[in-house]
Amino acid sequence: NAGVTQTPKFRILKIGQSMTLQCTQDMNHNYMYWYRQDPGMGLKLIYYSVGAGITDKGEVPNGYNVSRSTTEDFPLRLELAAPSQTSVYFCASSRRRQGPSGNTIYFGEGSWLTVV
Amino acid sequence: AQTVTQSQPEMSVQEAETVTLSCTYDTSESDYYLFWYKQPPSRQMILVIRQEAYKQQNATENRFSVNFQKAAKSFSLKISDSQLGDAAMYFCAYRDNTDKLIFGTGTRLQVFP
Repeated sequence: NAGVTQTPKFRILKIGQSMTLQCTQDMNHNYMYWYRQDPGMGLKLIYYSVGAGITDKGEVPNGYNVSRSTTEDFPLRLELAAPSQTSVYFCASSRRRQGPSGNTIYFGEGSWLTVV
Repeated sequence: AQTVTQSQPEMSVQEAETVTLSCTYDTSESDYYLFWYKQPPSRQMILVIRQEAYKQQNATENRFSVNFQKAAKSFSLKISDSQLGDAAMYFCAYRDNTDKLIFGTGTRLQVFP
């Protein structure tokens, strides 16, 4: 099983550029999440999705957009990159929390983004 | 909104000794899930242990156990027989009834030989 796959793993962007972080999962999970982790800090929720066609804002959505056209994919779009968006980005997925398998949240390996 | 608080930015322990990491949370829900994640320098997120709020029994996974105090909204992690490989950031997390996972700010654990 591939689990949750994020691409790219590393990227350097110039201020004002745009890019998309890709996330795909092969576990048929309904729930998908994007988090950012700044140095020495915890994970902050950017956006999440409870199923195809449904997305919602998390704690820190400004400067980002998402879409969920399929169950498998949940890309994160950065528009007009700013130095404040330098961070490590994590994608995650899970089933609904109820049930024996609903408690496991699977994380990708992270995407390291630097904006200069 | 739910919040998760880890009041210990750093902790240290001698190898083979026991250490306890603290976590408190604020919620009005009665049904929720709590987690401890380990993050080594590679930044990989590794699930250590989880607890369902409706279960009174504290979860245990080998050397890792929790002290879940629902009324006090406390969820501490005890690591017994600490090993050098336990050195990492540890995050407490809460899964709410909308299935969002909310993290605390983390505790950096150092293990000394």
